[in-house]
Amino acid sequence: DMKVTQMPRYLIKRMGENVLLECGQDMSHETMYWYRQDPGLGLQLIYISYDVDSNSEGDIPKGYRVSRKKREHFSLILDSAKTNQTSVYFCASSPGNQDTQYFGPGTRLLVL
Amino acid sequence: GDSVTQTEGLVTVTEGLPVKLNCTYQTTYLTIAFFWYVQYLNEAPQVLLRSSTDNKRTEHQGFHATLHKSSSSFHLQKSSAQLSDSALYYCALSEGTGYQNFYFGKGTSLTVIP
Repeated sequence: DMKVTQMPRYLIKRMGENVLLECGQDMSHETMYWYRQDPGLGLQLIYISYDVDSNSEGDIPKGYRVSRKKREHFSLILDSAKTNQTSVYFCASSPGNQDTQYFGPGTRLLVL
Repeated sequence: GDSVTQTEGLVTVTEGLPVKLNCTYQTTYLTIAFFWYVQYLNEAPQVLLRSSTDNKRTEHQGFHATLHKSSSSFHLQKSSAQLSDSALYYCALSEGTGYQNFYFGKGTSLTVIP
């Protein structure tokens, strides 16, 4: 059963703290994504990773960075979190070749 | 660049009546695939339909969509809406350069009322 996992599911941080969001997939998919979702704005792509250490900025990369050292694992890092980074973050993976994206359950981040 | 447009942010329909969610796109790529994703409240988006064949109807869970490259559209339709169809719907395209770049529309929130 194809599965994308995200940890933690809920997170509360204070402004200025560092945040680490983790994503894993057990399907050996090459491509992985990080999105944030805000009401009325839909899914906004933060970063895309085409494979290990092959990452590319998405539409809204400012304030974020990523790390992918293993194919099955993709991390999103917020250095010195800001209140406007409060959002729901989704990770997704895809096998490529125009195939379906599979989404994780999301992480709800609140930055106070 | 590529883009996907969903003209309606909110759609309300009465149970049992037909529903149509619009999706148009702009792309320079010849090889493309299209998707409709559905997201129920407090859940992750999940794929509902996928198509890459022009003028071929694709169906799943009572919904159907046909890719029309001539009009750059991939509208989602259902003949009889159910209360359980209330959700957020995203149209998306994936271009075929070998990379897996996805472009999502901003989503349409569908509410089915009794």
